[in-house]
Amino acid sequence: DVKVTQSSRYLVKRTGEKVFLECVQDMDHENMFWYRQDPGLGLRLIYFSYDVKMKEKGDIPEGYSVSREKKERFSLILESASTNQTSMYLCASYQSGRPETQYFGPGTRLLVL
Amino acid sequence: QQQVKQSPQSLIVQKGGISIINCAYENTAFDYFPWYQQFPGKGPALLIAIRPDVSEKKEGRFTISFNKSAKQFSLHIMDSQPGDSATYFCAASIRGGSARQLTFGSGTQLTVLP
Repeated sequence: DVKVTQSSRYLVKRTGEKVFLECVQDMDHENMFWYRQDPGLGLRLIYFSYDVKMKEKGDIPEGYSVSREKKERFSLILESASTNQTSMYLCASYQSGRPETQYFGPGTRLLVL
Repeated sequence: QQQVKQSPQSLIVQKGGISIINCAYENTAFDYFPWYQQFPGKGPALLIAIRPDVSEKKEGRFTISFNKSAKQFSLHIMDSQPGDSATYFCAASIRGGSARQLTFGSGTQLTVLP
């Protein structure tokens, strides 16, 4: 069974804290993505990676950074969390050339106080 | 130009009825149009997808209709069931570049009444 797992289902952090969200996939997919999901806005792409150590900005990268040191792991970093980063964060991956293989993780609901 | 506009925001249908969700796009370079289904507490899951070289694709009770000239596509759920109650997202993407990126609609909350 294919799997995209995320390190936490729920997180509560304070304003200004550094936050790490981790995503692991076991499908040997080249492409990995971080989205945030907010009511009425759908899913918005934060960053994506098409290979180890490679990354590209999505539509809303401000306030975020990412790291991909291993093929199966893609981390999202909030350098200094702010209340407007309270959201649901979703990780996804797919095999290059086959977007129909895109799978999402269960999401991390982050609350920044 | 990258937007995908989805309507309605919410939809209530009786069991056995037809649910219809519509999406419109501007960028004619989009060449892949998937629909995702998301249940509470879960990530979205691919439901059905279409490419612009066909006007309709059917999988079980789910059908995508695609109108290239109008730049619109829609999801039809026939014989809707309470288990279909979920949030549905349309999306569109473009081939090329380092990776295919999806642009999502804003989502439709579907409730099917028993």
